[in-house]
Amino acid sequence: EADIYQTPRYLVIGTGKKITLECSQTMGHDKMYWYQQDPGMELHLIHYSYGVNSTEKGDLSSESTVSRIRTEHFPLTLESARPSHTSQYLCASSELDSRYEQYFGPGTRLTVT
Amino acid sequence: SQKIEQNSEALNIQEGKTATLTCNYTNYSPAYLQWYRQDPGRGPVFLLLIRENEKEKRKERLKVTFDTTLKQSLFHITASQPADSATYLCAHGSGGGADGLTFGKGTHLIIQP
Repeated sequence: EADIYQTPRYLVIGTGKKITLECSQTMGHDKMYWYQQDPGMELHLIHYSYGVNSTEKGDLSSESTVSRIRTEHFPLTLESARPSHTSQYLCASSELDSRYEQYFGPGTRLTVT
Repeated sequence: SQKIEQNSEALNIQEGKTATLTCNYTNYSPAYLQWYRQDPGRGPVFLLLIRENEKEKRKERLKVTFDTTLKQSLFHITASQPADSATYLCAHGSGGGADGLTFGKGTHLIIQP
């Protein structure tokens, strides 16, 4: 099991609410990533970080934002949740860069009603 | 745009036989390919990475090949077991300046006892 954690595992929330999905890793990895995955579909990169104070947008445009104040912590925030945000959100980390294996957390299943 | 194609239809294999999964890529020449296993409701788990200058990579009952001429990678599981049933994902670097991985939809493998 990889040492990367996500909370909550499941979240059902109403439209317009602000939410933060937590991701932490204890491996000391500089590189961290957020992916979005709909059922039966591929993972899409939405954010990544090279290290503290570094955040970049991924391939898939997302209304979410991320921050990286500490190496081990990479939270994702939605200021105003909408039903279109319903999806699975997966956090990952890597020791070096995407040429090397990524370690994934268990994911957060978000449902916006 | 870069594209990874996997046969997303379920692949049924009898226990003990060899399962072979296919990953094709277009519009890109990746320097490496990665294979992951994903169980329902869980994050992907890294299995193998193969670089463009490697024809074949093995790990226990797993074998991956990389044919840059055919733009294809094959993933083999020998002596398959019901516990091997899962979705297997192929991925390569996102490129285009974005770090992170581009994933295929995955192939759902079912090993029947």
